[in-house]
Amino acid sequence: DGGITQSPKYLFRKEGQNVTLSCEQNLNHDAMYWYRQDPGQGLRLIYYSQIVNDFQKGDIAEGYSVSREKKESFPLTVTSAQKNPTAFYLCASSPSLGRPEAFFGQGTRLTVV
Amino acid sequence: GDSVTQMEGPVTLSEEAFLTINCTYTATGYPSLFWYVQYPGEGLQLLLKATKADDKGSNKGFEATYRKETTSFHLEKGSVQVSDSAVYFCALSDQGGADGLTFGKGTHLIIQP
Repeated sequence: DGGITQSPKYLFRKEGQNVTLSCEQNLNHDAMYWYRQDPGQGLRLIYYSQIVNDFQKGDIAEGYSVSREKKESFPLTVTSAQKNPTAFYLCASSPSLGRPEAFFGQGTRLTVV
Repeated sequence: GDSVTQMEGPVTLSEEAFLTINCTYTATGYPSLFWYVQYPGEGLQLLLKATKADDKGSNKGFEATYRKETTSFHLEKGSVQVSDSAVYFCALSDQGGADGLTFGKGTHLIIQP
């Protein structure tokens, strides 16, 4: 079955540590996105990529980094510079420009301990 | 910039009641409009969409009509079920989806038996 896989589902990080969230899709979609979800705030865009080896900052990119070395993979690193990293992180993909409907993974809940 | 405004929740209804969740938007271009649903602890699922004025998106008994004159995309269902309890997000994509979706803050719907 085609879809988007995020791993792990739950992640705990100590303060000062970097952590990488995985996102893989087998839908052959060109575009991939990372969103952050906090209670009562909806979803906010962190980074997005329309093509391999290219990505753009979203609205809240500070303290995060990404790579897009393969079409199917778009990992997100939460660095120690992110001051409030505890949140639910959602990865999404969409077919191409002009077909913006996004399909989401199941999310990763990151907690700083 | 683009923005989406949804009615705040939680919205509590009895089973078989009529549902309306209001959504209005502001966009610089001619956006596509979406409704997504999120069940507890999961990612978002695309519920329905509309890409041009007067289009009606529909799925699983839910409907929404793209009203350009009132910049609205209200979600309706004639008879809700307990299984419809979830968080509903209205979203838009401008400029062909080049830079992701803009989401409202979500409306938590609770259906009581």
